[in-house]
Amino acid sequence: SQQGEEDPQALSIQEGENATMNCSYKTSINNLQWYRQNSGRGLVHLILIRSNEREKHSGRLRVTLDTSKKSSSLLITASRAADTASYFCATDAGGTSYGKLTFGQGTILTVHP
Amino acid sequence: SQTIHQWPATLVQPVGSPLSLECTVEGTSNPNLYWYRQAAGRGLQLLFYSVGIGQISSEVPQNLSASRPQDRQFILSSKKLLLSDSGFYLCASGYLDNSPLHFGNGTRLTVT
Repeated sequence: SQQGEEDPQALSIQEGENATMNCSYKTSINNLQWYRQNSGRGLVHLILIRSNEREKHSGRLRVTLDTSKKSSSLLITASRAADTASYFCATDAGGTSYGKLTFGQGTILTVHP
Repeated sequence: SQTIHQWPATLVQPVGSPLSLECTVEGTSNPNLYWYRQAAGRGLQLLFYSVGIGQISSEVPQNLSASRPQDRQFILSSKKLLLSDSGFYLCASGYLDNSPLHFGNGTRLTVT
């Protein structure tokens, strides 16, 4: 079953603008991860935030996590045309979940040059 | 670093034909292995996972099966394909304890 819901489903921006994607989930988690998928390709891991963390940065990426609201956001700053892709959040319930991830439906980001 | 090899990249098969998709992992040992399916424009659905040789757990009852004959080999099979088996199949490798998954480039299966 799909735990995560992502918002918006699609986002279109100009190069240089910031892109914000949101993810909500339903059950308790051990960590939340964001992945990127270029069209027709596999997923590439971007960033992992643990349940006891509130914010994490990696280059132009900033992820926040609010476990009380069961939500996360991914901010891409100063976007580039090469950032055009689908972005997915995924949750790891931990414990006996054996590292299985439950993915959201994704946000399609288009960055216009 | 890990590399996940999947083949073939694309496959067109008639309804009722068998299926065998192979995934091999390089650069690591004793990984957890996963098969996901992605419908067009949708998120990923976990089909099977394995924590060791010969151990398979199924997440969704369906027309497919999986096997892990070697530590770094994961195979997805079907005896008779259905139209509903069409999709993008992704193999992934990972571990427990807050580690990310590494994905292959997928196999796009079209059942006609």
